[in-house]
Amino acid sequence: GIQVEQSPPDLILQEGANSTLRCNFSDSVNNLQWFHQNPWGQLINLFYIPSGTKQNGRLSATTVATERYSLLYISSSQTTDSGVYFCAVEVWNFNKFYFGSGTKLNVKP
Amino acid sequence: EPEVTQTPSHQVTQMGQEVILRCVPISNHLYFYWYRQILGQKVEFLVSFYNNEISEKSEIFDDQFSVERPDGSNFTLKIRSTKLEDSAMYFCASSERLYGYTFGSGTRLTVV
Repeated sequence: GIQVEQSPPDLILQEGANSTLRCNFSDSVNNLQWFHQNPWGQLINLFYIPSGTKQNGRLSATTVATERYSLLYISSSQTTDSGVYFCAVEVWNFNKFYFGSGTKLNVKP
Repeated sequence: EPEVTQTPSHQVTQMGQEVILRCVPISNHLYFYWYRQILGQKVEFLVSFYNNEISEKSEIFDDQFSVERPDGSNFTLKIRSTKLEDSAMYFCASSERLYGYTFGSGTRLTVV
């Protein structure tokens, strides 16, 4: 199956700092999503972004499909941004998501 | 915004018992999924379901597991004879294939 690698695995930030999370994948994909898993375990959809750039408030994401990577930017981080961020990809006709191992973010006040 | 609803949010069961996890997908979605996440690990695919039948399943999804769409709104995952290692967060998701997946809030299953 497709390999999905996320970096860094762990990230500690001071509140107000900016960060970039990376997702590399080993094959062409037709779907890529970023999720935030909050401390209660819920998976919150952040972006559906198989290609291009999107922004939602302090968060933005860019996927360069031809180079097989995606980036999630968090600006002016807040303690509520803490949690695990997952990238997940779907390969055409495979009808399932492959998740990365996640980036665990801890934003300190 | 439409949501995928999962019940219960937390279930504790005795080893060897059967459990049924319930999901209400988004109403106009046609593709349904179950995923599982063992504590501290990545989210793993279990099964996909389309047109009233399983379209794909992982090697985890053995005879212990089954899925059903008993009516027009519910989608269930049944786990027979639960084992300690079945303890995990189980996520239901639905999709209409154009705009990505929507995941439910999960059911935390604890087998004791």
